[in-house]
Amino acid sequence: DSGVTQTPKHLITATGQRVTLRCSPRSGDLSVYWYQQSLDQGLQFLIQYYNGEERAKGNILERFSAQQFPDLHSELNLSSLELGDSALYFCASSVDSGAHLGSGTDTQYFGPGTRLTVL
Amino acid sequence: AQSVSQHNHHVILSEAASLELGCNYSYGGTVNLFWYVQYPGQHLQLLLKYFSGDPLVKGIKGFEAEFIKSKFSFNLRKPSVQWSDTAEYFCAVRGGNKLTFGTGTQLKVEL
Repeated sequence: DSGVTQTPKHLITATGQRVTLRCSPRSGDLSVYWYQQSLDQGLQFLIQYYNGEERAKGNILERFSAQQFPDLHSELNLSSLELGDSALYFCASSVDSGAHLGSGTDTQYFGPGTRLTVL
Repeated sequence: AQSVSQHNHHVILSEAASLELGCNYSYGGTVNLFWYVQYPGQHLQLLLKYFSGDPLVKGIKGFEAEFIKSKFSFNLRKPSVQWSDTAEYFCAVRGGNKLTFGTGTQLKVEL
């Protein structure tokens, strides 16, 4: 158990809908990262938040957005869902922002993921 | 932009065989290197990591990896695999604030 929790475990929805995925980081971790894992794209970094602020952006679609709240939990919002959005969405957390490489605190710990199925 | 290449997509070994999974990366600056494992139906777990110092890194469950800077490589090794090592293995490179994963290697260990 990594200490990172994600809800829900599974989500089945229809095209065009909007869903929210939730992530609670490990106690003391300030950074939250979101990843998408699909068969055709592999594991893709979406976005990172550090202490409430967006820190880095990866391959995140405009239909997707995220935020990190004062209690440090994070939500990933996916809207206008398409069949191709079906994937496993992982959240990870780390102590710091990763700006200081080699500090030893850059390790990301992953949650169990949310499996999204769009029908 | 950084990238990670894992050469072997599927590997099948018999128990007690030795394992080496290749990983090459491209990035112009300082990197942190990781190997993660994903057992069937489970989430990603950290196997080992390299930040600096001794380029031979030992991780959990008997795994080790060697960072060869001149070859931009970080290959994963295990001298004797077990059936329970059946999983998908991901190499990852962190440059700046971004963690980039390779496409993964599916390892199947047969009894």
